[in-house]
Amino acid sequence: AQSVAQPEDQVNVAEGNPLTVKCTYSVSGNPYLFWYVQYPNRGLQFLLKYITGDNLVKGSYGFEAEFNKSQTSFHLKKPSALVSDSALYFCAVSPRVYNFNKFYFGSGTKLNVKP
Amino acid sequence: EAQVTQNPRYLITVTGKKLTVTCSQNMNHEYMSWYRQDPGLGLRQIYYSMNVEVTDKGDVPEGYKVSRKEKRNFPLILESPSPNQTSLYFCASSFRKDTGELFFGEGSRLTVL
Repeated sequence: AQSVAQPEDQVNVAEGNPLTVKCTYSVSGNPYLFWYVQYPNRGLQFLLKYITGDNLVKGSYGFEAEFNKSQTSFHLKKPSALVSDSALYFCAVSPRVYNFNKFYFGSGTKLNVKP
Repeated sequence: EAQVTQNPRYLITVTGKKLTVTCSQNMNHEYMSWYRQDPGLGLRQIYYSMNVEVTDKGDVPEGYKVSRKEKRNFPLILESPSPNQTSLYFCASSFRKDTGELFFGEGSRLTVL
């Protein structure tokens, strides 16, 4: 069965400090990997994706993510957190065999950035 | 403005009363899909559509129907809603031949009593 794990329900970090939101997956083949952010009472917004190539992917708002094939992980990172980064973050994977038709999401991690 | 529009945004209904949640996108996207979001479970895919008249089941299709008669619209139909369908629903669309970035609507919160 395909699954995506976000082991931390919540991550707390002080403004200006680096942040990491973790994601691991169990999906057949080499899936496409995504991160989305959700602000209160809004839909999800795309942050970044890994399709192929360089394992370090840069996305919107200064976020980046590192694909690690051996550990089947795709952790989201930012060098210096902002209070405005506080939101709910979702990792998603799409098995290549489905050609972007099927997506599996993690349970979400709430990021709290304190001033 | 490019957007995915869902209606209604909030709905309280009773068991067994048929309802439809509409979804419309103005980006000429081929691909559209429906998700439900439940605490601790993240988003789970209900149905998706690769183009007009082409739909397929996601992971949790039971109790739902969809149709895709026009490219821009992808309604979600609950023929006989039950309390376990109380959830937050999201519609999303994408250029299927692009690289999979989904554009989401703002969600429809459904309560079935």
